[in-house]
Amino acid sequence: NAGVTQTPKFRVLKTGQSMTLLCAQDMNHEYMYWYRQDPGMGLRLIHYSVGEGTTAKGEVPDGYNVSRLKKQNFLLGLESAAPSQTSVYFCASSWSTGGHGYTFGSGTRLTVV
Amino acid sequence: DAKTTQPPSMDCAEGRAANLPCNHSTISGNEYVYWYRQIHSQGPQYIIHGLKNNETNEMASLIITEDRKSSTLILPHATLRDTAVYYCIVIIWGSGNTGKLIFGQGTTLQVKP
Repeated sequence: NAGVTQTPKFRVLKTGQSMTLLCAQDMNHEYMYWYRQDPGMGLRLIHYSVGEGTTAKGEVPDGYNVSRLKKQNFLLGLESAAPSQTSVYFCASSWSTGGHGYTFGSGTRLTVV
Repeated sequence: DAKTTQPPSMDCAEGRAANLPCNHSTISGNEYVYWYRQIHSQGPQYIIHGLKNNETNEMASLIITEDRKSSTLILPHATLRDTAVYYCIVIIWGSGNTGKLIFGQGTTLQVKP
């Protein structure tokens, strides 16, 4: 099993460009999450989803949109990228609403110039 | 905001036990303590969790004080591969009884030869 797969692994964007990060899980998990991690800091929750067709805001949602059209996929969109969005983005999925079943992807390193 | 506090860094000699403390003085009676670790910018990895009893698995042991205001993660025989950032997390509950893992800054554990 692949677990949680993030695409792409690296990307460089120009300010104002848009892009979509894809997260795919093959574990039939109900819950999915997008985090960002800046240098020297812990992960911060951007958006999350408690099931297909549902999304909710996390700690730092501004500048991002998400969609969960299929249970196995959770998309994170940047409509107009800004240098402040340079970060490493992690996706996770879990089978429970508790905190012990999280599986994380390997991350997407995004640079906005 | 994270509901836990951890020392920013610790060292441990290879082969010795690593004891990582965590304070969670505002924890509620039914809230679990979770531990994750992040090795060199990979996605975080679940280690262990507990409510009030001490817990042990193949990776670590978790000791929770009787008043539940603090806990200690114990890696019994630390190896160089255990060098990582360790996060102690008390889940944040949102609407719809949805739990969210909110990461603080964690403790950087350096295992030295």
